[in-house]
This record gives sequence, C-alpha cells and structure tokens, in this order.
Amino acid sequence: QSVLTQPPSVSAAPGQSVSVSCTGNSSNIGAGYDVHWYRQLPGTAPKLVIYATTNRPSGVPDRFSGSKSGATASLAVTGLHADDEAIYYCQSFDDTLSGSLFGGGTRLTVL
Amino acid sequence: EVQLVESGGGLVKPGGSLRLSCGGSGFTFRSFSMNWVRQAPGKGPEWVASITGSSSHIYYAHSVKGRFTISRDNAKNSLYLQMDNLRDEDTATYFCARDPSGSRVINWFDTWGQGILVTVSS
Repeated sequence: QSVLTQPPSVSAAPGQSVSVSCTGNSSNIGAGYDVHWYRQLPGTAPKLVIYATTNRPSGVPDRFSGSKSGATASLAVTGLHADDEAIYYCQSFDDTLSGSLFGGGTRLTVL
Repeated sequence: EVQLVESGGGLVKPGGSLRLSCGGSGFTFRSFSMNWVRQAPGKGPEWVASITGSSSHIYYAHSVKGRFTISRDNAKNSLYLQMDNLRDEDTATYFCARDPSGSRVINWFDTWGQGILVTVSS
C-alpha cells in the first residue's frame, strides 16, 4: 500500500468532470511539498500532466487542473474525452524517506 | 527533440548483477538531475534513485540502498544504474527520467525513456 493514497477508479460520461484525490501525510504533501500528476497508457511510459501542484506542461489541455489542500492533492479533468481514459498517478517528495513517492494509481474510465 | 533511451536490461539470476545505461539527447545533459524509476508488472511506478547534474547529491529508495548504484558521465550524456545482489522483487521495467526543476528536492519528471525490462529469475 502506497503512502500516497488514491482511489482505485473513477468514472464519468463524456463531457462530464471527474476529480482524482491523492492523500498523503505530514511528511510529504502535508509538509508543503509539491504534487505532480502523470497519466499512463498500457505499455508506455508515464506522461506528465500537472507539475508543481497546479502547472500544466505545454501541450496539456486546460481541461486538466491541479490543486492541494492540507495533505490532499487533487487532479480535475473537465469536459471528458474518450482518450482521457488512462491510469493517473500522483507523485511527491517525502521527508522521512528522503525520496520521491508515487501514489497507487487511479484508473479513469469514460463511460 | 529531447530523448532518453535505456539499454542493458535482460534476464539475470537472483544474486546476480546487471548494469543499465540511459543515453540522453536533445538537451544539455549535465544541467539536469536524472532519475531511475521502475514499474513491476501490474503495479504503479516506484522511484529508485536520483543524481544531480554534477553528481554532488545522490539519493536512493530504501528498497535498493546498498545494492544499487546510480552514476553518470556527462561527457557521454549517459546515466547508469549498477544493480547488484538482485532479488526476484527487482523484476520490473526500468525507466530513466529527467527532473527539470533544478532543485535538490526530487521533483517532477518531464521526460521519460521507453523503459527496459529487467527480469530476475532462476
């Protein structure tokens, strides 16, 4: 079980919105460290979609946004498209481990 | 085009060793911290090790500390992972990944290689 906890799955219809949570503790997200989000399709490397909690890399649509409150970060996706289906992972730094952590991943399904 | 390409994976017996390489192109390699991240079959990514641009700071995950060694040769635009005393649970696809943040704290990875499979089995 990962230190960064994500729901196993979320789903919504095309055009709707979803939010994926990532809950840490006082050693990582709660300590003020940034959270980053990746999406991954089978057989491919993870791809960055949000960095430093709220920033989008170039090429990522503004339908993707990130936020944080306390020890929980969230990735929101609005106006869902079929090709948003993927597994989404959060990542942050952890003081106790002196290293980086990934969440367990959330499978986003577009119904 | 910014690109990372891993090599050196394969099948190795428990207790054996393997050395992974990662070649970078399309960017000033020495200016970026580099990382190894692995992903066991059906699991999420696991950060393995990190090295700053000048090799002045190196960090390891607890699961590999004392067995794996990360290094780099900036003249060759290359990153390495020496893996010793391999265990069954080290079986995974290994990715090299670039951290563009410029911070000593390990941050985000904006560029990933395609990954290389390491299988530890007798």
